[in-house]
Amino acid sequence: GNSVTQMEGPVTLSEEAFLTINCTYTATGYPSLFWYVQYPGEGLQLLLKATKADDKGSNKGFEATYRKETTSFHLEKGSVQVSDSAVYFCALKRGSTLGRLYFGRGTQLTVWP
Amino acid sequence: DSGVTQTPKHLITATGQRVTLRCSPRSGDLSVYWYQQSLDQGLQFLIQYYNGEERAKGNILERFSAQQFPDLHSELNLSSLELGDSALYFCASTPGDGGLDTQYFGPGTRLTVL
Repeated sequence: GNSVTQMEGPVTLSEEAFLTINCTYTATGYPSLFWYVQYPGEGLQLLLKATKADDKGSNKGFEATYRKETTSFHLEKGSVQVSDSAVYFCALKRGSTLGRLYFGRGTQLTVWP
Repeated sequence: DSGVTQTPKHLITATGQRVTLRCSPRSGDLSVYWYQQSLDQGLQFLIQYYNGEERAKGNILERFSAQQFPDLHSELNLSSLELGDSALYFCASTPGDGGLDTQYFGPGTRLTVL
């Protein structure tokens, strides 16, 4: 089947700390991988994506590399800000013709000044 | 603002009742997806409609149904409500029927069943 496992939260960091949120997946075929972010009281927003092995997605200082050999798509940011406090979801989409997303459970990130 | 609108923002009802959640996709988007976010199950895909036709089905209960109208808005109908149906319901939209399109999410409808 298709599934996503991401590290349990909550994650609490000080401003300017390094962030890693681990994500691994199980999928048939060649999935596309995504990170979505949910700010308090809002819907999900796409943060970054990668559609094939070794692709690196990046946006707003966040990065994630699609690693087929380890079936991983870990999210990293070198220096977090208070405004990065949110819930982060790793997700996959199977193939290029199907639309549904499979989400991980989400990781709550809180950044303190 | 993603361009996807959902109404109402909050809904409080009793067990056994029926409710309708509404979603308007971004202008020009033909697909609408419904997701349920609960503490127990996380974020789960329910159903997708593309240009008025059901396209894909996920973990949607038989008590739930959806449809997409000619103006492309979609409604999710939840009936015989149970306490466990309390959740955030999101819809998302894409221009095409899936593929590599980015899904744009609405702000959600929070359903509380008492």
